[in-house]
Amino acid sequence: DVKVTQSSRYLVKRTGEKVFLECVQDMDHENMFWYRQDPGLGLRLIYFSYDVKMKEKGDIPEGYSVSREKKERFSLILESASTNQTSMYLCASTPGVGKYFGPGTRLTVT
Amino acid sequence: SQKIEQNSEALNIQEGKTATLTCNYTNYSPAYLQWYRQDPGRGPVFLLLIRENEKEKRKERLKVTFDTTLKQSLFHITASQPADSATYLCALEFSGGYNKLIFGAGTRLAVHP
Repeated sequence: DVKVTQSSRYLVKRTGEKVFLECVQDMDHENMFWYRQDPGLGLRLIYFSYDVKMKEKGDIPEGYSVSREKKERFSLILESASTNQTSMYLCASTPGVGKYFGPGTRLTVT
Repeated sequence: SQKIEQNSEALNIQEGKTATLTCNYTNYSPAYLQWYRQDPGRGPVFLLLIRENEKEKRKERLKVTFDTTLKQSLFHITASQPADSATYLCALEFSGGYNKLIFGAGTRLAVHP
């Protein structure tokens, strides 16, 4: 079974803090993604990566950056957290057909 | 820009009936259309994928149809059970896009005993 794990299920941070969200997949997938999910808006793509050290902006990259130093690990970084970044963050990887999602990190920025 | 519409109101049905969920999209037809299930507080789980040249796909009690003329997909769950209660997400994937998906907001299904 494919496993996608995320470093935290719940996280509370203060405005202005730098936040790291980690995602690890164990199936050697090339492509990995970070989404955020907000009520009524569905999942929106923040960034994705199609190979080590390669990254592409998604639909809402502002205020975020990513890092992919190893194939199995894809990190999302909030450079200076703001209250409008309070959300559920979901990481996913894919072998090509269908996506495998992690359990999500519910981030609250106060 | 591409838009996906799923019924935002919850669908309530009786156990044993067929649930039908709708996904409508605007502009370009995707190469693939996917359906996911999401339980509260958890990540989505991939259910089915249908290609643009396929009309219908089945998997156990699930059936998906894809009409590129109407720009619509229907997702059916036959002989529904309370365990099928969840939010169902429709997602579009376009060719040459590194498997990027555009998601709808989802429809919540509640199956009552």
